[in-house]
Amino acid sequence: EPEVTQTPSHQVTQMGQEVILRCVPISNHLYFYWYRQILGQKVEFLVSFYNNEISEKSEIFDDQFSVERPDGSNFTLKIRSTKLEDSAMYFCASELGDTRTGELFFGEGSRLTVL
Amino acid sequence: GNSVTQMEGPVTLSEEAFLTINCTYTATGYPSLFWYVQYPGEGLQLLLKATKADDKGSNKGFEATYRKETTSFHLEKGSVQVSDSAVYFCALSPVTGGFKTIFGAGTRLFVKA
Repeated sequence: EPEVTQTPSHQVTQMGQEVILRCVPISNHLYFYWYRQILGQKVEFLVSFYNNEISEKSEIFDDQFSVERPDGSNFTLKIRSTKLEDSAMYFCASELGDTRTGELFFGEGSRLTVL
Repeated sequence: GNSVTQMEGPVTLSEEAFLTINCTYTATGYPSLFWYVQYPGEGLQLLLKATKADDKGSNKGFEATYRKETTSFHLEKGSVQVSDSAVYFCALSPVTGGFKTIFGAGTRLFVKA
């Protein structure tokens, strides 16, 4: 069964360092998302991406964050200068999108620890 | 704006007990509604969905009915198992006019043998 894959599963970084989280969405999906979850609690929307551009973003997604789909398969989230409060589990999700149902397929997540 | 409110946990039940997790929503238009489940150490998986009023979503013995008059989408299961222990998230997707699926705070369920 097709699945969303994310790498790395866990990354530890120093405050101020750049981090790139990678995702391979399901191949025929058209909509891509990043969410984050702090301490196993609330799942927070960061950004949605469609047709090679950001379609919506939250107030969390400030200038320190960026996304891109460089090669038509990978979908990356970059945090330019990490802060302690960026420590969280980051989930990538994709949606088929031929007719929008809102049904998301999630990856297993990338745990980011900022020291 | 859109929002989802679900009952706080944790909920602790004995095996074979009846489960209800309440979820209410606020939305403009006609959103789709979902329940996602997160098992320990894993990502979120879709459990069930309903895309219009009075639809009943069901899967693995769980069910929820889209009630527009009460803006609710309560999750129920007649007889829970230890393997149902997880965190359950109610979610709303606007489908039209937006891309942001909103999640409730999650309800942790513990099922004791």
